[in-house]
Amino acid sequence: NAGVMQNPRHLVRRRGQEARLRCSPMKGHSHVYWYRQLPEEGLKFMVYLQKENIIDESGMPKERFSAEFPKEGPSILRIQQVVRGDSAAYFCASRLDRGADTQYFGPGTRLTVL
Amino acid sequence: AQRVTQPEKLLSVFKGAPVELKCNYSYSGSPELFWYVQYSRQRLQLLLRHISRESIKGFTADLNKGETSFHLKKPFAQEEDSAMYYCALKPGGSEKLVFGKGTKLTVNP
Repeated sequence: NAGVMQNPRHLVRRRGQEARLRCSPMKGHSHVYWYRQLPEEGLKFMVYLQKENIIDESGMPKERFSAEFPKEGPSILRIQQVVRGDSAAYFCASRLDRGADTQYFGPGTRLTVL
Repeated sequence: AQRVTQPEKLLSVFKGAPVELKCNYSYSGSPELFWYVQYSRQRLQLLLRHISRESIKGFTADLNKGETSFHLKKPFAQEEDSAMYYCALKPGGSEKLVFGKGTKLTVNP
């Protein structure tokens, strides 16, 4: 099992552009979480998704940010019209099912907004 | 509001010395608590959780509800323990993890 995969590992965008971050969960995992880590901070929860459903988006900024986890393919975190304050490391984690609560983390995507 | 506080940003000890990484939490209910570790150039991984009451790589952590603490301890630190350590809380009925800011542990030879 290759573990949680995230791509790209590094992403550079100019202000106003869109950023798309991808997360492929571990094989068989149907629960995905996104966290953001600003410099000198801990990881902050953004959103929790199951296949085709957003379960908890209480940590998502109200505007410009969206997430999806389609039936087929990776989970996508989309940031529209990026601003410098969006520069951060974005981590994805996946979990097997309700009987197992360990979240397995990906290597992260470091977003830099110029 | 839920909060996890790790008061030490940096902690440096010598090999063979005891080490304690502090973690305090703020939560009104019964939390689940975890320690995650990130070694250099590796991804974040679970080290241990309080409900398991296990020892991993010589580390233990005891939940003290009276002091709302979950300190991570190891009696004899090794150089390979050098890493970033994050304490995390999972509120009851929630799926999300609330992380502290982390402590960077350096074990010197």
